[in-house]
Amino acid sequence: EVELVESGGGLVQPGGSLRLSCAASGFTFSSYWMSWVRQAPGKGLEWVANIKQDGSEKYYVDSVKGRFTISRDNAKNSLYLQMNSLRVEDTAVYYCARDRTPNSGYYNRDAFDIWGQGTMVTVSS
Amino acid sequence: SYELTQPLSVSVALGQTARITCGGNNIGSKNVHWYQQRPGQAPALVMYRDNNRPSGIPERFSGSNSGNTATLIISRAQAGDEADYYCQVWDSSTSQVVFGGGTKLTVL
Repeated sequence: EVELVESGGGLVQPGGSLRLSCAASGFTFSSYWMSWVRQAPGKGLEWVANIKQDGSEKYYVDSVKGRFTISRDNAKNSLYLQMNSLRVEDTAVYYCARDRTPNSGYYNRDAFDIWGQGTMVTVSS
Repeated sequence: SYELTQPLSVSVALGQTARITCGGNNIGSKNVHWYQQRPGQAPALVMYRDNNRPSGIPERFSGSNSGNTATLIISRAQAGDEADYYCQVWDSSTSQVVFGGGTKLTVL
């Protein structure tokens, strides 16, 4: 079964750090672009970052640039999001998601066909 | 930055056709994807590349994309279609994935 399982969420104070993980199974993880998408309570979806199959390209939404780092370990079938200098406005459910098409390039990026169940991050004093 | 505009809410009578729009500058030149999200659940893909249904999505769901508007069409709406729907594109010029603000579909 194709599956993504996030972990690592929790309560952290403003200015703190947290590392999210996403464990992939049931597919060839190293063949897919992967993303993090978040959803603040009662709000819509917001893409956070994505990473190419081999980790050589990474892109971020402006609001997290310089604070968040996306990475992956293809040997461990795992995706990560290191979050530093956390702000109250980073409070959200964080989902990892897979691009639908394997071995896709920069210009033919596809939809997110597999999503994890999400992990909650709360930034509060 | 590229922006996608969706109506906050759409209502449809049971068994009728719902149309959820997604507006963006020359969106017809991009591939548009649609997600359904029920309360407390992760989003689920219901349409990719404008008008392609993933396996398991009923034929009642269809899509179109032209000019400045993409549309998700749900025919013969059912109570189970009540959910939030999001459109999404990849903007290669800014290297950004962009989501619309979401539309709450109510089936009356």
